[in-house]
Parts: sequence; C-alpha cells; structure tokens
Amino acid sequence: DTGVSQNPRHKITKRGQNVTFRCDPISEHNRLYWYRQTLGQGPEFLTYFQNEAQLEKSRLLSDRFSAERPKGSFSTLEIQRTEQGDSAMYLCASEAQGSYGYTFGSGTRLTVV
Amino acid sequence: AQTVTQSQPEMSVQEAETVTLSCTYDTSESNYYLFWYKQPPSRQMILVIRQEAYKQQNATENRFSVNFQKAAKSFSLKISDSQLGDTAMYFCAFAYNNNDMRFGAGTRLTVKP
Repeated sequence: DTGVSQNPRHKITKRGQNVTFRCDPISEHNRLYWYRQTLGQGPEFLTYFQNEAQLEKSRLLSDRFSAERPKGSFSTLEIQRTEQGDSAMYLCASEAQGSYGYTFGSGTRLTVV
Repeated sequence: AQTVTQSQPEMSVQEAETVTLSCTYDTSESNYYLFWYKQPPSRQMILVIRQEAYKQQNATENRFSVNFQKAAKSFSLKISDSQLGDTAMYFCAFAYNNNDMRFGAGTRLTVKP
C-alpha cells in the first residue's frame, strides 16, 4: 500500500466554477477525514466518514461543499460555485478506527482566481 | 470545546542544539490523545510523536521527546541534536473518544547550519 493518495495535487479554477477532489485512503482504514489548511495555519476539520457514513460535518462546510464516500473506499470533496476564500490546501487523512494514527495525503492545493 | 494553542509562531535553532516547542490545550475530557505532527515545506504531514493522557510517562521517539503536564494542560516537544531536516512547520494536535483531531496554528521551526 502506498499511503493516502490525493488528486489532483494542484487545481486552479475561475471563481464560480465547480471543482472535485479525490482521496484514496489506505485500504484497511475505515475512517477518512477532510481538512482545510490556509497558509500559515493549522488544518481545520471539515468532515469525516466511517466506512460510507458521513458522521460529522463542521460548520465550516457550507452548503456549497459536499463530500461522499460511496463504497467506503475513496472519497470525493466537491465545491460548487467556488469563491476566492475557498483557496486553500485540502488535506485528506485516513485511520483505522480507534487507532489514533492518522495518515495524511499530500493534499490538493486549490487556487480560485 | 477543545482548543489547542501554540504560542510560538516561529522559532530557530542552531544545528546540533536542542529546541523546545510549546503547546497548551483546553479540555474537560479526562482521557485523550495528544500529538505532534511535522509538515516540511511542500510535503505531507507526518506524525512525530503521540502521548496518551492516561500514561504518566512522557513519550519519546529517538531525538524527539515530550513534556506532558496534564494538570497544567501543557504538551511541549523537545528536539535534541537538531538537524537541517527538522526544518518544518510543527503542529500540536488533540483528539478524544474517537472524534476528529484538532490542531494548533503551528510553529515554524528553522534549523540553521
């Protein structure tokens, strides 16, 4: 297993466009987390899944954001009608439930112009 | 709410010297986990060290050790024999009861030759 994979690594989009990011976790990890990280700040929690169930969503996750993990494997994070304030690094992490051992991906850097 | 505070935005240390990064947290939970993560420039976040709150013994991992003061809600990271490769952002993080992890704002550490 090669760890947590995120695609794309970089995404530049025009304001108002929709974007979708993908995260492939470590195969035996049943938990998957999405975080957002702006420059010079720590990661902020967005949402997490246990298998295919989305168990918690941060209030940071506005109606323009949606995440799915349809078969309990990979996950997608979609942002609709992007705004400049959405520019950030989007991090995915996975964990075997209860292990308290997150493995992070390299992130997707979004730039909204 | 659980909060994590890192009061040192930036620090520097000479190669081979020792440096200590500070972290305080606020929680009403009695059993939880604390973490230090390292994020090198443009690279993924990796776990440096983990401490379980019910363990009184401070965790160590090679050159990295923590000073965990539960009553004071303090969790500092000591890096001994600093190396150039230790240059990175360091994030303190907190998690409890199978919930998501919460991060501090980070400390940028520069190791000078």
